[in-house]
Amino acid sequence: GAGVSQSPRYKVAKRGQDVALRCDPISGHVSLFWYQQALGQGPEFLTYFQNEAQLDKSGLPSDRFFAERPEGSVSTLKIQRTQQEDSAVYLCASSWGGRRTGSYNEQFFGPGTRLTVL
Amino acid sequence: QQQVKQSPQSLIVQKGGISIINCAYENTAFDYFPWYQQFPGKGPALLIAIRPDVSEKKEGRFTISFNKSAKQFSLHIMDSQPGDSATYFCAPHKYNAGGTSYGKLTFGQGTILTVHP
Repeated sequence: GAGVSQSPRYKVAKRGQDVALRCDPISGHVSLFWYQQALGQGPEFLTYFQNEAQLDKSGLPSDRFFAERPEGSVSTLKIQRTQQEDSAVYLCASSWGGRRTGSYNEQFFGPGTRLTVL
Repeated sequence: QQQVKQSPQSLIVQKGGISIINCAYENTAFDYFPWYQQFPGKGPALLIAIRPDVSEKKEGRFTISFNKSAKQFSLHIMDSQPGDSATYFCAPHKYNAGGTSYGKLTFGQGTILTVHP
């Protein structure tokens, strides 16, 4: 379909390993978001891109977390030296992101990547 | 997530019953009040939303009631169906933030709704 896709859907990592999570947004969507959803909790904002520019990274929990979107489409969230507390579902969302008076830029979410750190 | 509180944490209703979920927020700058629905293994999806210029919005079996003075809004699901069983999140935010036309969502803790047949 034409929705947001994420890969892999499941990732198991040993503590200390680096992981890379991929997000393919809806074609043409300018805005891209990453959220972290711990078990039994609501998603928490990590970072936001407008095209290739990372405009807000205030939610990244530590400098082990790094996100990029070099060509303004696909984005990768990288976590270095994973820790057990990084275990969560990582959600990507995209929205049209343009400016249309009175309209709402709905965020469309992907299915998430479930990361388990052993 | 301290600035957004949902209740109850879980809710069990019989088919055909009414489900009511509440959300309280602190940030008076919020001007968009959506509810999201999330099924297991899926991402959240926008269900229904309201702007502060109205007190109620109805879409089919789903209704949002908004109380600006109390800084609360609620989701009512009429004639609840087993297919409504999911986790529901409120996520109030700024409709437009910083002129960049994006909304940083602040989700509540979630309410797990189970509708028995």
